[in-house]
Amino acid sequence: AQTVTQSQPEMSVQEAETVTLSCTYDTSESDYYLFWYKQPPSRQMILVIRQEAYKQQNATENRFSVNFQKAAKSFSLKISDSQLGDAAMYFCAYRNPMNRDDKIIFGKGTRLHILP
Amino acid sequence: DAGVTQSPTHLIKTRGQQVTLRCSPKSGHDTVSWYQQALGQGPQFIFQYYEEEERQRGNFPDRFSGHQFPNYSSELNVNALLLGDSALYLCASSLAMGGDNQPQHFGDGTRLSIL
Repeated sequence: AQTVTQSQPEMSVQEAETVTLSCTYDTSESDYYLFWYKQPPSRQMILVIRQEAYKQQNATENRFSVNFQKAAKSFSLKISDSQLGDAAMYFCAYRNPMNRDDKIIFGKGTRLHILP
Repeated sequence: DAGVTQSPTHLIKTRGQQVTLRCSPKSGHDTVSWYQQALGQGPQFIFQYYEEEERQRGNFPDRFSGHQFPNYSSELNVNALLLGDSALYLCASSLAMGGDNQPQHFGDGTRLSIL
C-alpha cells in the first residue's frame, strides 16, 4: 500500500526567509503524481504545486518549488521569500493515475508558522 | 464560476444519531470524492462517486454511505454515529475525462462534532 510520511509536525520561518518542508513516500508504482496542498484556518484545501513522476524536471510555481528525488522517494517543498499568508498546514499527497477511484493519499501534515 | 460548496458548515450530533452532509461540485465537474480529516491528521479517502455509482471505497465501515444525483451533487450519510466520527469532512470534485493530471478541487468542509 502506498504511504506518505511527513516527519516535521511543525516548522517556523522568519518572514522573507526560505523554508523547506520534507516528505517521503512509498510506492511500487513507476508512474504517479505528487502534490503539496495548503490548508489555512479557513479549512479549504488549496493545491500549491504538482509533480508528475515521469518528469525529471522539478516543478516550480512562483515562490514555491520542489525537490523531487524519485529513487529516494523524496518530495520536499521549498518556499522562498516567506510571507505571512503562507502560514498554514501543508500536506504532501500522492495519487496513482492507474487507480480507477482517483483517490489521493495524504501525509499527516506540517504546520508552518511565519514569524514577522 | 462557483467552486465546490458543502453544507452545513458545522453540525453537532449525539452518539447513535444519523447525519447527512451535502456537496455540490465545481461547475463542469462530474466526479465527487469524500474525505474524513480527523483533528491533527491528513484527510483520508472515504469513497468516490461517478455516474451516480460508488467507486472503490477506502477503509470505512458500511455505516458510511453516499449518493450522487443526476446533477452530480452528492450526499454523505453516516449512521449510528460514534465519538470517533468527529472530524472535518471534505468533498472534492473533478472531471472524469479531464486527463490524468487534472487536480481535485476541494470545498471548505463540514465540521461534525459528536457529543
